[in-house]
Amino acid sequence: AQSVSQHNHHVILSEAASLELGCNYSYGGTVNLFWYVQYPGQHLQLLLKYFSGDPLVKGIKGFEAEFIKSKFSFNLRKPSVQWSDTAEYFCAVNDFNDYKLSFGAGTTVTVRA
Amino acid sequence: NAGVMQNPRHLVRRRGQEARLRCSPMKGHSHVYWYRQLPEEGLKFMVYLQKENIIDESGMPKERFSAEFPKEGPSILRIQQVVRGDSAAYFCASSGVEGGQGPYEQYFGPGTRLTVT
Repeated sequence: AQSVSQHNHHVILSEAASLELGCNYSYGGTVNLFWYVQYPGQHLQLLLKYFSGDPLVKGIKGFEAEFIKSKFSFNLRKPSVQWSDTAEYFCAVNDFNDYKLSFGAGTTVTVRA
Repeated sequence: NAGVMQNPRHLVRRRGQEARLRCSPMKGHSHVYWYRQLPEEGLKFMVYLQKENIIDESGMPKERFSAEFPKEGPSILRIQQVVRGDSAAYFCASSGVEGGQGPYEQYFGPGTRLTVT
């Protein structure tokens, strides 16, 4: 199974700042890539996903992620965060044709008003 | 819009007791996955079930843990004789696509936070 690294454990930002969260997985091949978000007290929600095609993926709430195969990376970005983006963000990967998702440890994002 | 339901949301057990965690998949989904999140770690796959079948339990601890998904009713993750190390968040996910046959999406429940005292 893949090993997934998220570079930042906790990120603190002010509103309107830009956000970038790093995610790397351990080995190549065809993979499916996901970012999930968990708002306080809520369940994990899918923010965006990459299966194939354009490596720049747009998700909900203004988030996007770029798949760079040569770097085994799938970094999440948002140009201007809001207080409501305070949440925990998880990167997840599975090998194509494998149902088991491997998750990173998560990044807690705190946006200060 | 009934998503994946898990109950209880919080469960406190003393060492040696049994914990039963329940998961109802999204309507129309027949594939259930259980994941465990230990403190400061990401979610780790435990088991994949379809109705009345365990498909893959490679992530389950060999002892004390069991899972089922009966024909009727929710999926149950059962932990016997709990120990402090079992304290974690347990997440259930469901999907409507045959597992292992191409891209799919797993929809997650809110999790059950088990605390063993």
